[in-house]
Amino acid sequence: DIVLTQSPGTLSLSPGESATLSCRASQSVTSRYLAWYQRKPGRAPRLLIYGVSSRATGIPDRFSGSGSGTDFTLTISRLEPEDFAVYYCQQYGSSPWLFGQGTKVEIK
Amino acid sequence: EVDLAESGGGLVQPWGSLRLSCAASGFTFSDYAMSWVRQAPGKGLEWVSAISGSGGSTYYADSVKGRVIISRENSKNTLSLHMNSLRAEDTAVYYCASGDSSGWYGPFQHWGQGTLVTVSS
Repeated sequence: DIVLTQSPGTLSLSPGESATLSCRASQSVTSRYLAWYQRKPGRAPRLLIYGVSSRATGIPDRFSGSGSGTDFTLTISRLEPEDFAVYYCQQYGSSPWLFGQGTKVEIK
Repeated sequence: EVDLAESGGGLVQPWGSLRLSCAASGFTFSDYAMSWVRQAPGKGLEWVSAISGSGGSTYYADSVKGRVIISRENSKNTLSLHMNSLRAEDTAVYYCASGDSSGWYGPFQHWGQGTLVTVSS
C-alpha cells in the first residue's frame, strides 16, 4: 500500500498569506496519480487538483500543485476567507486509494 | 449537472446490517468507476470500496474486507454498499464518489452529500 503522510497537521495563517502543504508518499506514486481535496464542515469533499498539478473545473488559479515521485506540494497563494478548511492528498494509481491524514488550514 | 445522492444510513446495533444506496444522475453512469469513502467523527477521509464501470472489478479496504459488498445496477444508475457485522468503528458519514471520465477509479471528481451511519446499542 502507498501510505501518504501530510505535514504540517495544522497551519495557522492570515488571509492574504500563502499556504504550503506537503504530502509524502511511502513509495513512488504511479503515473502522477496524485490528487488534492478540500473539506469544509457540513460539505462534501471537493476535488481541487489531479494529476499532481492540474486544477479541477472551477478551481481558482491561486491553488497550485507540484511535485513528483514521492514528494508533493499544494500551494495556496493569497488565502481567501473561504480557503480555511482541511486539505487531503490522495493517490489514485492503485488500490487501495488511500488519503493522507489531512492538513487543517486555520485562521491565525 | 452531475448529482450523487446517498441514502440508507441510520442507527444500527453492533453486528447488524445496513444497505447504503447512491442514486446517480447527470452523466453516463456505466462509464464511470465509483467508490465509497467515509469519514468518522473527528477523523480524516477513509476510502472504503470501489467498483469498475461494468461492475466486474471490485476493491475493498482492509478495514471492511469480508464485511461489505459493493455493487451497482447500471440500468438504474444506482450504486450500493451492503454492510454486515457492523462495529462501532464503522460509525461515519459515508459518501459515494465518481471516478474519472476515462473510466479509471480516480480522481474522485464528484461527491454526494453523504449519509450518516451510527453503530450503537
